[in-house]
Amino acid sequence: DTGVSQNPRHKITKRGQNVTFRCDPISEHNRLYWYRQTLGQGPEFLTYFQNEAQLEKSRLLSDRFSAERPKGSFSTLEIQRTEQGDSAMYLCASSPRTGISYEQYFGPGTRLTVT
Amino acid sequence: KNEVEQSPQNLTAQEGEFITINCSYSVGISALHWLQQHPGGGIVSLFMLSSGKKKHGRLIATINIQEKHSSLHITASHPRDSAVYICAVSYYGGATNKLIFGTGTLLAVQP
Repeated sequence: DTGVSQNPRHKITKRGQNVTFRCDPISEHNRLYWYRQTLGQGPEFLTYFQNEAQLEKSRLLSDRFSAERPKGSFSTLEIQRTEQGDSAMYLCASSPRTGISYEQYFGPGTRLTVT
Repeated sequence: KNEVEQSPQNLTAQEGEFITINCSYSVGISALHWLQQHPGGGIVSLFMLSSGKKKHGRLIATINIQEKHSSLHITASHPRDSAVYICAVSYYGGATNKLIFGTGTLLAVQP
């Protein structure tokens, strides 16, 4: 399977715990995005990587959130001291270098439930 | 006001009906995307367009740049078309090409 993969698919955690999600983009894609989607809403942008450089972070990404893409391949999103409001679907997408506008390919998402 | 507005929010159709979902946006864009999301979360890109019209199977997407409006049409709808359809835009001058999403249209096609 050469699509975008995300792990884990589901995560249940207690409030105050730290969680880490992983995204493996399509191998030749240098652009990687994280989005968050709450129930009944469209996804919202969190952060963007071009290769290993994190070039943009949303105001939604509080200081409890950190994302990395250490070698320009897979990426991790960590949430520290989780809160109930962090419960959401976390989506990763990647896109190729070519063209002015880029089609984005989405992973299946990681559903986080904070109890 | 959301930058990307979709209508209707919910749509129920009988199998075989012609379906239209509308999307409007507020400022100039580099591209408009139509995406499909099934229960469980996975998002699939259906179309990316910046002008005119695109067709894939029973799906047709159109965009009117002057009116800042796009439509997604489904011909001969089928229960397997039941999903959330989401419109998203990306903007010129945005180095990231991040997507700004609408809230989606929940489509249920009944047999």
